[in-house]
Amino acid sequence: DAKTTQPNSMESNEEEPVHLPCNHSTISGTDYIHWYRQLPSQGPEYVIHGLTSNVNNRMASLAIAEDRKSSTLILHRATLRDAAVYYCILRAYNAGNMLTFGGGTRLMVKP
Amino acid sequence: KAGVTQTPRYLIKTRGQQVTLSCSPISGHRSVSWYQQTPGQGLQFLFEYFSETQRNKGNFPGRFSGRQFSNSRSEMNVSTLELGDSALYLCASSLEVDGANVLTFGAGSRLTVL
Repeated sequence: DAKTTQPNSMESNEEEPVHLPCNHSTISGTDYIHWYRQLPSQGPEYVIHGLTSNVNNRMASLAIAEDRKSSTLILHRATLRDAAVYYCILRAYNAGNMLTFGGGTRLMVKP
Repeated sequence: KAGVTQTPRYLIKTRGQQVTLSCSPISGHRSVSWYQQTPGQGLQFLFEYFSETQRNKGNFPGRFSGRQFSNSRSEMNVSTLELGDSALYLCASSLEVDGANVLTFGAGSRLTVL
């Protein structure tokens, strides 16, 4: 899988929007961009994924650059419960379930 | 809808012993994958099973093995345990969404090797 680069940590205030960046300059045309997060003492949790167009779901939005070399996960209103490690992962179409996790971004949310 | 269930949640073993961990996927999910999480190496892929066949394998020694049963339940086994095998072992099952598999993870089995 192609490599992703994320900041080690970020901080946000509660009820403010959060933009978590991810660089993936070696992405290939068939790679999906997935985001998972891991809350303390839990297994990772799926957040969102996309291919080319921006995506929205009940948890977050995913903004994908036009050249697909970067993406941003947007939490519209951070809550304390959103404090977690967020992983940006590239996965080839129908590549099975082998995920390559990087270090992720540890998001801290201040009340 | 029940999630991915892993048992046991915690266990302690000594060096040289072997351990078996169990994973029950979400009903209807046919693919199960296993990951190891340690503070030093992060989350690393172990192996993946689909319809009782190993489909992918990570870069781990042969002491790590797994299998999947006809009901999709999976087990992983680690033989001749080493101190470095202390980790959180995570199982995930998947459902294909829009052509891209979305994984649902269990809470993990935390193994301590003394």
